[in-house]
Amino acid sequence: DVKVTQSSRYLVKRTGEKVFLECVQDMDHENMFWYRQDPGLGLRLIYFSYDVKMKEKGDIPEGYSVSREKKERFSLILESASTNQTSMYLCASSLNLRLAGGLSDEQYFGPGTRLTVT
Amino acid sequence: EDQVTQSPEALRLQEGESSSLNCSYTVSGLRGLFWYRQDPGKGPEFLFTLYSAGEEKEKERLKATLTKKESFLHITAPKPEDSATYLCAVQAGTGGFKTIFGAGTRLFVKA
Repeated sequence: DVKVTQSSRYLVKRTGEKVFLECVQDMDHENMFWYRQDPGLGLRLIYFSYDVKMKEKGDIPEGYSVSREKKERFSLILESASTNQTSMYLCASSLNLRLAGGLSDEQYFGPGTRLTVT
Repeated sequence: EDQVTQSPEALRLQEGESSSLNCSYTVSGLRGLFWYRQDPGKGPEFLFTLYSAGEEKEKERLKATLTKKESFLHITAPKPEDSATYLCAVQAGTGGFKTIFGAGTRLFVKA
């Protein structure tokens, strides 16, 4: 079974703090993703990475950065936390399409980190 | 613009009362449509992938179907443990690795 773990289930930070969210997957997946989930808005993609040291902006990258120094680990960084970044953050991974024959790209999610910025 | 719309937003059923959830989509070149289940306070759990119109997949009391414009998740004789939020997502051929999620349908099944 694919396992995706996230460093914290709940986190409370103050406005202006730098926040690190860590995600680790154990299935040697090429692709990793960071989403935020807010009521009524669904999952919105922040950043994704298709290889070590590679990253691409998603739909809402402003105020966030990412780091992928190792294949299994993908970190999300809030440079200066703000109250509008209070949300559920979900990490996911998926197998590289090329290796999977392009047939399946389902994502496997971690349990989520509920971040509150006060 | 690529878009995914799920309906209804919420659905309340009695145990054993079959029903369907809808996912309508507008994308350029559908690569795949995914269904996920999400329990409160947890990450989404993968259920199905559908690739082409006419395709169907089943898992226990769930059956997913796909047409050129929408997908249905049919729930037959649901049980209280089927209560969850069901998410639909599409991956477009022109979107690279981007997957677009719908807002979900919250299903409540009462015993």
